[in-house]
Amino acid sequence: SAVISQKPSRDICQRGTSLTIQCQVDSQVTMMFWYRQQPGQSLTLIATANQGSEATYESGFVIDKFPISRPNLTFSTLTVSNMSPEDSSIYLCSFGTEPYEQYFGPGTRLTVT
Amino acid sequence: DQQVKQNSPSLSVQEGRISILNCDYTNSMFDYFLWYKKYPAEGPTFLISISSIKDKNEDGRFTVFLNKSAKHLSLHIVPSQPGDSAVYFCATRNQGGKLIFGQGTELSVKP
Repeated sequence: SAVISQKPSRDICQRGTSLTIQCQVDSQVTMMFWYRQQPGQSLTLIATANQGSEATYESGFVIDKFPISRPNLTFSTLTVSNMSPEDSSIYLCSFGTEPYEQYFGPGTRLTVT
Repeated sequence: DQQVKQNSPSLSVQEGRISILNCDYTNSMFDYFLWYKKYPAEGPTFLISISSIKDKNEDGRFTVFLNKSAKHLSLHIVPSQPGDSAVYFCATRNQGGKLIFGQGTELSVKP
């Protein structure tokens, strides 16, 4: 099965700054997703990263805050913009296979001070 | 509005005994359910799934039971091993094909 990696694994950032998280899959995949897991909460889908077009965002998430790129079938980035302490979370990318069994990266643990 | 609920945030079980993790959902239209396991500092890994046309699916030590009338599913681990200690998430897919996760249950298996 494909291997999925994320960079950075963790970061501590100051309020008002932005962080870009990279997600790399070692084979071409059609569907890639970005999730957030806030402390003590479930995984929440932020958006579906579409290759060659704009990402599809879930309710409560907007492109200005979480811009996403998907330049090819193996790579995607998520930027957390103008960060506040409420953005402190684990951010995970995943790719999907049928029937909807998704494979997750190791996550990026973000702390905003 | 939590569509998938795991009401027990934690569970402690003795090694060799059965672990039972529970999950409730609200929408009878959900037709596919999954369990994921997550170790610290790792992403969730797919464990087992079940379609709504079945009421049981078994894979080695892991069995998932689905009770559609009660909108309830459970994961049984028999026998439990210390390496099973992790956070377990149940999930389902909505009509758009997106996964919806529960809050997770932290299982601790004590030697």
